[in-house]
Amino acid sequence: DQQVKQNSPSLSVQEGRISILNCDYTNSMFDYFLWYKKYPAEGPTFLISISSIKDKNEDGRFTVFLNKSAKHLSLHIVPSQPGDSAVYFCAASAGNNNDMRFGAGTRLTVKP
Amino acid sequence: NAGVTQTPKFRILKIGQSMTLQCTQDMNHNYMYWYRQDPGMGLKLIYYSVGAGITDKGEVPNGYNVSRSTTEDFPLRLELAAPSQTSVYFCASSYRQAKNIQYFGAGTRLSVL
Repeated sequence: DQQVKQNSPSLSVQEGRISILNCDYTNSMFDYFLWYKKYPAEGPTFLISISSIKDKNEDGRFTVFLNKSAKHLSLHIVPSQPGDSAVYFCAASAGNNNDMRFGAGTRLTVKP
Repeated sequence: NAGVTQTPKFRILKIGQSMTLQCTQDMNHNYMYWYRQDPGMGLKLIYYSVGAGITDKGEVPNGYNVSRSTTEDFPLRLELAAPSQTSVYFCASSYRQAKNIQYFGAGTRLSVL
């Protein structure tokens, strides 16, 4: 069962505009959420995370928002740059469980 | 600064063959993981290890074996390759104190024909 879902396989935005990537989860035990970024022929790299005790975390151009009641999180990239073009994975974990669950990814294309 | 190194990068196996995917990390991380990623799907955890001599099953362990004799190395063994094991395999490592912030290798693309 897919406990973490990214329903948009792809997203295209213009350079300088905002990119919003969405993620939904079903397991109410998840208490830590992360976004990873992946370029072709490379492994995923950690981008930003948020604990369930917060509803927002910001790091430079990247902000993650968490809505626990809706079991939804989103990643905002402002302003978007061509170098942000990559696949973005949402991931979630529960307590001391070592089995982090990943979404299927959203391919972001930022056009110059 | 190598990080997590996986070998080989690509491999084609025949059904029933066996092979070992190698993974080594130079960050002195306690935790190591093996994931597989099928087309259009997220990464799924196969096995993980919290330290030398300790391994445990993840979400999809069937058909695989692992060992962890040193902190640095975490090989993944396929004993009887099947077409369902065609996938991209990623090894990752992390500190115990921040186990969800994982550092990934570049992956091994495996085809079983």
